[in-house]
Amino acid sequence: SAVISQKPSRDICQRGTSLTIQCQVDSQVTMMFWYRQQPGQSLTLIATANQGSEATYESGFVIDKFPISRPNLTFSTLTVSNLSPEDSSIYLCSVGESAGGELFFGEGSRLTVL
Amino acid sequence: RKEVEQDPGPFNVPEGATVAFNCTYSNSASQSFFWYRQDCRKEPKLLMSVYSSGNEDGRFTAQLNRASQYISLLIRDSKLSDSATYLCVGHASGGSYIPTFGRGTSLIVHP
Repeated sequence: SAVISQKPSRDICQRGTSLTIQCQVDSQVTMMFWYRQQPGQSLTLIATANQGSEATYESGFVIDKFPISRPNLTFSTLTVSNLSPEDSSIYLCSVGESAGGELFFGEGSRLTVL
Repeated sequence: RKEVEQDPGPFNVPEGATVAFNCTYSNSASQSFFWYRQDCRKEPKLLMSVYSSGNEDGRFTAQLNRASQYISLLIRDSKLSDSATYLCVGHASGGSYIPTFGRGTSLIVHP
C-alpha cells in the first residue's frame, strides 16, 4: 500500500492569496488525483495529475484557478489561486497503483479563507 | 443527476443491529466498485471491494447488482466503532478509470 504525506495539514489564508499543497508518495504511482471535500459533502474530483503532461481537469475546475504540477511519479502539488471564502474546504490527494483499483489518500489539507 | 448516489442518512442504530446501505450508479460503463470508510476529520480508507459474486469480510458483506445498477453494504452485529461515513465509489472504464464517489452515508451506532 502507498503511504502519502500531504502538507500543510491546515492553513488559514487571506482572500486573494494562494496556497500550494504538496503530496509526497513513498512509491512510484501512475495515477494521482486531487479532490475537494466540503463539510458534509462528497469528494469532488478536481483533476487527475498526469506525470509529464498537463493535468486533466473536471468540469467546473480550471487550470488558472487550480494549477497542478506533477514533476515525477512520487510528487505533486495543487495550488489554489486567488483565494475566496468559497475555497474553504478540505483538499485531498489520492493515488492509485492500478487502474480501477484501491485508492490511497493523504490526510487532507484543511483550508480556511478569511 | 449525480453518477453515484447514496442516502446521506444518518442511520441511527443500536449496538448489535444489522444495517444496510445502498448506492446507485448511473454510468453503466462503471467497472469496479468499492466501499470506503471515512471517520470524522479523517481521510477515506478502503473498507472492501465489491464483486459481482459478492464479498464478505467478517461482519461486512458487499454486493453488486449490475442489472439494477446498485451496490450494497450490509453490516451485521453493529459496534460503536462502526460509526462513520461510508462512501461508495465506482470506477468508469474507457481508459481512464476515473473514480467517482457518492456523498457518503452516515452511520451512528449507539449503546
